[in-house]
Amino acid sequence: QSVLTQPPSASGTPGQRVTISCSGSSSNIAANNVNWYQQLLGTAPKLLIYGNNQRPSGVPDRFSGSKSGTSASLAISGLQSEDEADYYCAAWDDSLNGAVFGGGTQLTVL
Amino acid sequence: EVQLLESGGGLVQPGGSLRLSCAASGFIFSNYAMAWVRQAPGEGLGWVSAISGSGGSTYYADSVKGRFTISRDSSKNTLSLQMNSLKAEDTAIYYCAKVNAAPGRSSRIDYWGQGTLVTVSS
Repeated sequence: QSVLTQPPSASGTPGQRVTISCSGSSSNIAANNVNWYQQLLGTAPKLLIYGNNQRPSGVPDRFSGSKSGTSASLAISGLQSEDEADYYCAAWDDSLNGAVFGGGTQLTVL
Repeated sequence: EVQLLESGGGLVQPGGSLRLSCAASGFIFSNYAMAWVRQAPGEGLGWVSAISGSGGSTYYADSVKGRFTISRDSSKNTLSLQMNSLKAEDTAIYYCAKVNAAPGRSSRIDYWGQGTLVTVSS
């Protein structure tokens, strides 16, 4: 049981916009920055969004993040086949004094 | 170019010990916190432990507290994870990770190693 809650799966067709939610609590998402990671099959995770809505250099602007209260979201617009991957949200948890991850969302491009 | 290369994984019996290492290069090692994150087969990511740039502060997930010890050697640019009293549920790929800020509100993992597999089984 993960501290942060994500839907186990999501899907969309090429060109569509999809969103992935991440629900937490006052000790993690509400209090601290949310980061998102993309993990392609068989590879190490990669930082996708940091500080709730910032993109590292090289990440397409099709990816965007937002946060409100105890929830955060990752949006992917203009969906492409190469976006098929697992996506994880993460944040620091003040009560646990450690980082926590969501359970991950497997995105399928139909 | 940042590179993180893990080593030390393998097969160990329940109750046994293993020491993981991570050789870091491409950045000023002592300036950055580091972390270990694991992923059980077919499962999601799980944060294990972190250590500040100076090594003076350490953090652990409740599931490993008292069994695992994180450490760093800035003279060798090496991060380590000593794992004792291993359980079957510790079986996972263990990733070494560079943390962009001090552990806390603004921290994020900006680089990951390729991981090393630890299997705990009799």
